[in-house]
Amino acid sequence: QKEVEQNSGPLSVPEGAIASLNCTYSDRGSQSFFWYRQYSGKSPELIMSIYSNGDKEDGRFTAQLNKASQYVSLLIRDSQPSDSATYLCAVTLAAGNKLTFGGGTRVLVKP
Amino acid sequence: DAGVIQSPRHEVTEMGQEVTLRCKPISGHNSLFWYRQTMMRGLELLIYFNNNVPIDDSGMPEDRFSAKMPNASFSTLKIQPSEPRDSAVYFCASSLFGRESNQPQHFGDGTRLSIL
Repeated sequence: QKEVEQNSGPLSVPEGAIASLNCTYSDRGSQSFFWYRQYSGKSPELIMSIYSNGDKEDGRFTAQLNKASQYVSLLIRDSQPSDSATYLCAVTLAAGNKLTFGGGTRVLVKP
Repeated sequence: DAGVIQSPRHEVTEMGQEVTLRCKPISGHNSLFWYRQTMMRGLELLIYFNNNVPIDDSGMPEDRFSAKMPNASFSTLKIQPSEPRDSAVYFCASSLFGRESNQPQHFGDGTRLSIL
């Protein structure tokens, strides 16, 4: 079992719709959770961080964390073609600052 | 504010040559990470430093790879001798590490390495 798992996609979403991305992790001691966006040929860019159970909203993005079920999700509202990218889920353990990345979910927003 | 700075952006060299990748972290950050990204294996952590000290090098593929961080503002990743299977994009990232929480990592633009 991979430590951090994501559906590789592609997740095809019509423009204006909500894109829903999921991520599960195996280590119950995980404490910090991040979502990165990576455009083709570019470096990962942080878009959201979440540390406690519940929802965290930032503009069109909402991160949701459920530590009991060991999953973290990302919602993108009013999806735009510019949101087309690969979204990486990353998790750190309580004892350190090493990030473990999922394989990424490719999102395609179609006009 | 200046982000993480990596050089060179692109490197093409022949098998057997030594390759040196360089990274300057964000000023004030005390953790530095080296990653490698390929289509097959995704984003892999090679090694990371806290306060210039290597903490975990378990991701370094073999002895041909070495990394140093002589001071808080500079790190190198060396491959000697290089092999075609080392071709990948190498990213450097930095963050502020503290007891309270893990701050996010910020990535440089990467070095695209091609070994012929």
